[in-house]
Amino acid sequence: GAVVSQHPSRVICKSGTSVKIECRSLDFQATTMFWYRQFPKKSLMLMATSNEGSKATYEQGVEKDKFLINHASLTLSTLTVTSAHPEDSSFYICSAREKSGSGNEQYFGPGTRLTVT
Amino acid sequence: AQSVTQLDSQVPVFEEAPVELRCNYSSSVSVYLFWYVQYPNQGLQLLLKYLSGSTLVKGINGFEAEFNKSQTSFHLRKPSVHISDTAEYFCAVIRGGGSYIPTFGRGTSLIVHP
Repeated sequence: GAVVSQHPSRVICKSGTSVKIECRSLDFQATTMFWYRQFPKKSLMLMATSNEGSKATYEQGVEKDKFLINHASLTLSTLTVTSAHPEDSSFYICSAREKSGSGNEQYFGPGTRLTVT
Repeated sequence: AQSVTQLDSQVPVFEEAPVELRCNYSSSVSVYLFWYVQYPNQGLQLLLKYLSGSTLVKGINGFEAEFNKSQTSFHLRKPSVHISDTAEYFCAVIRGGGSYIPTFGRGTSLIVHP
């Protein structure tokens, strides 16, 4: 089946630094990738939708200058948390929609636990 | 707009007992429905999905769900749970003919006791 990987799985960084999270579709091409944020005991909050080769579409309330998303190829999207602060600590999950698929299923990555100290 | 309601935030159950996790949605158009499972510190894994056809859908790990259009529900069931089924379960809806971006319910924590 379709596999999505994320790297790193866990990251601890100091306040004020930037962190990059990678999301890769390993055995399929993904025209669209999604970035979610999940707080403890909460559901997934969609942050942005990224299409290969174009700018990401951010959900209301998500700062695009703080959460930089790049979807440079059909198998890779990156989320960079710039000038991270403790309130950015969260579980970040990406998902990918297969290019050749019907459009109605997403494949999720294993998530990245970000802790900002 | 569509919304998803998971009525129970937590469902405790004993091992080998049956379980039902409830999900209701609101949408005025056709929908695709999904159930995902999330184990601690992991991403989401697809359990099953309803796209069209038979309203009873069977998924992995012995789970099944029934699409009920009149009641706008898609409840998840398992006749006999195991300790290993302890996890968070999310119901999701995609509106047909739209942007194919899913709306997730808030999740139900299934806790299986020995």
